[in-house]
Amino acid sequence: DAGVTQSPTHLIKTRGQQVTLRCSPISGHKSVSWYQQVLGQGPQFIFQYYEKEERGRGNFPDRFSARQFPNYSSELNVNALLLGDSALYLCASSPYGASYNEQFFGPGTRLTVL
Amino acid sequence: TQLLEQSPQFLSIQEGENLTVYCNSSSVFSSLQWYRQEPGEGPVLLVTVVTGGEVKKLKRLTFQFGDARKDSSLHITAAQPGDTGLYLCAGATDKLIFGTGTRLQVFP
Repeated sequence: DAGVTQSPTHLIKTRGQQVTLRCSPISGHKSVSWYQQVLGQGPQFIFQYYEKEERGRGNFPDRFSARQFPNYSSELNVNALLLGDSALYLCASSPYGASYNEQFFGPGTRLTVL
Repeated sequence: TQLLEQSPQFLSIQEGENLTVYCNSSSVFSSLQWYRQEPGEGPVLLVTVVTGGEVKKLKRLTFQFGDARKDSSLHITAAQPGDTGLYLCAGATDKLIFGTGTRLQVFP
């Protein structure tokens, strides 16, 4: 069975630009969560969506937004990019509705903001 | 702000040595998960501990949840090069709070 897939793998943007990251969950998983992992740190929770509704939001500015589609895939959008947004963005899926349950992570999208 | 501090931050050892990684917080968690992350990949769940004082063994890895459910430890016996990676603890509240990570390098 395919695991969580994310695209693109790497992305380079400049300050002020906008970016969209994509995630396809494991088949049958209805929950998708997004995390930001800055180099040398643990992942930080950004959003969780379950059955197309936002279930949780971390401490991130409104420049970050996300949505989940009827097929349970998800997009993370970041507007007005800052240098500090450079990080590995991880998507995780789960068959459970709560974001604190076991998460199955994708390989991540490495975003570099210049 | 809930924080999970892991120690040590870095660990470099020879194959066959034993090691312990600690995960500490001032907050109480309903459960605690341990993940391992290898370069270019996302974290992979190793274990979930739920009950205070609980001990779980996974081959050469032993996980313990503190009695007060504020801390946890991971002990690896006879480390192997395949154990190399970033070890992350994650506490469960209304979301997962990840620790700062312990980067382990095991040399043959």
